[in-house]
This record gives sequence, C-alpha cells and structure tokens, in this order.
Amino acid sequence: KAGVTQTPRYLIKTRGQQVTLSCSPISGHRSVSWYQQTPGQGLQFLFEYFSETQRNKGNFPGRFSGRQFSNSRSEMNVSTLELGDSALYLCASSLTTGDPNIQYFGAGTRLSVL
Amino acid sequence: SQKIEQNSEALNIQEGKTATLTCNYTNYSPAYLQWYRQDPGRGPVFLLLIRENEKEKRKERLKVTFDTTLKQSLFHITASQPADSATYLCALVPYSSASKIIFGSGTRLSIRP
Repeated sequence: KAGVTQTPRYLIKTRGQQVTLSCSPISGHRSVSWYQQTPGQGLQFLFEYFSETQRNKGNFPGRFSGRQFSNSRSEMNVSTLELGDSALYLCASSLTTGDPNIQYFGAGTRLSVL
Repeated sequence: SQKIEQNSEALNIQEGKTATLTCNYTNYSPAYLQWYRQDPGRGPVFLLLIRENEKEKRKERLKVTFDTTLKQSLFHITASQPADSATYLCALVPYSSASKIIFGSGTRLSIRP
C-alpha cells in the first residue's frame, strides 16, 4: 500500500506570494491533518479534514487554509507569505478521526520564504 | 497554560544501554499518549501508544509507561543500537478533541558505538 504522498518536496517563495501544497493520503484513509514543523515551535497542528469537512483547526491565522476533495486528497494554501512561514509542512492521514487516531505522515514539503 | 514537554532536547548514550526519554504534560486530560520516531528529512513514524488506563506497553525493545498522577510518560529503548539514533516525539491525544493532537518538541537521541 502506498504511503502518504506530498508534493512538492521543496518550494522557494518570496514574501507576499501564496502557495498551495498537496497531499494524497493512504488509500482508504478519510482523515487528513496538516502540521507545521519549525525548530523553535516544534510540530504544530494546523487543521484536520474528514469527509471534505474541516473538523478541527489549530491556532494559526486565516492566511492558512485547506480543503479536502471527495477522493480524500487534500490541499493546503498559505496566502500573503511571511518570512516566519518558512517551515516543514507535514500532512498525515488516519483511518478515522477518532480513537486511536494514529497519524501516518508524508515526507513533508519544505517551504522557504525569502 | 497547557503544555507538553520532553525534558531532554538531546540524549547521548552508549550502544547496548537503555535509553529513557521523558514526556510531561500539564493541564490536559489525555485519552492516550503516542510516541513517534522522526529521521532527518522524513516525516514522523508511529511507534507505540498507551491509553490513560494502561500502565505499560511493550513492543520488541520498546517500552512505554504512563503515570497519570505524575502526568508523565516514559519511553524506553533497551539494548540500544546506533540505528536507533533519531528524534523521538511524544504526542498527546486529548479527550476533548481526539483529532487535535499535541506534539512535544522531541528528544534527539544519539547512540554511540
């Protein structure tokens, strides 16, 4: 079974631009969560989608948004990029949104904002 | 405020010894704790989980304990090997929202031959 696939692996953008990241979950997994990982803040929850609905959201500004499609694939968008948005963005899928919610992570997209 | 902390940013031990990593939390009611391993340039990989009503779980050379009185989980790797060198993350799954997982900052474990 193929794992979680994230594209692209690396991105370089400039301040003010916007970016869209893509995530394909493990086949059969309906829940997709997004995380931001930085050296200073660690791994922080952005949001979670289940059956095309956002079920939960972390403490991030509205510039961060996402969506999920009927095939469970998900995209994350960041508008008006800031230098502080430079991070590794990880997508994780799970079989359900409840117990035990084991997260299966992709390799991530490394975003650099210049 | 709510916090989850992994006490050691880095841990260096000799091959063959037992590595013990600590995860403490405050102001949460966890349904369970999960432990993940992350290698450089890769996403975290799930290792073990332990539920609130469990004291200990084992899987091969790995052991996790959970003390709700101390609000602490310990993660042990016995007979450690250089291949165990990685960053280990604990993750708390709260009763209030099972999908909003809170991760610790991680402990970078180095096993020297």
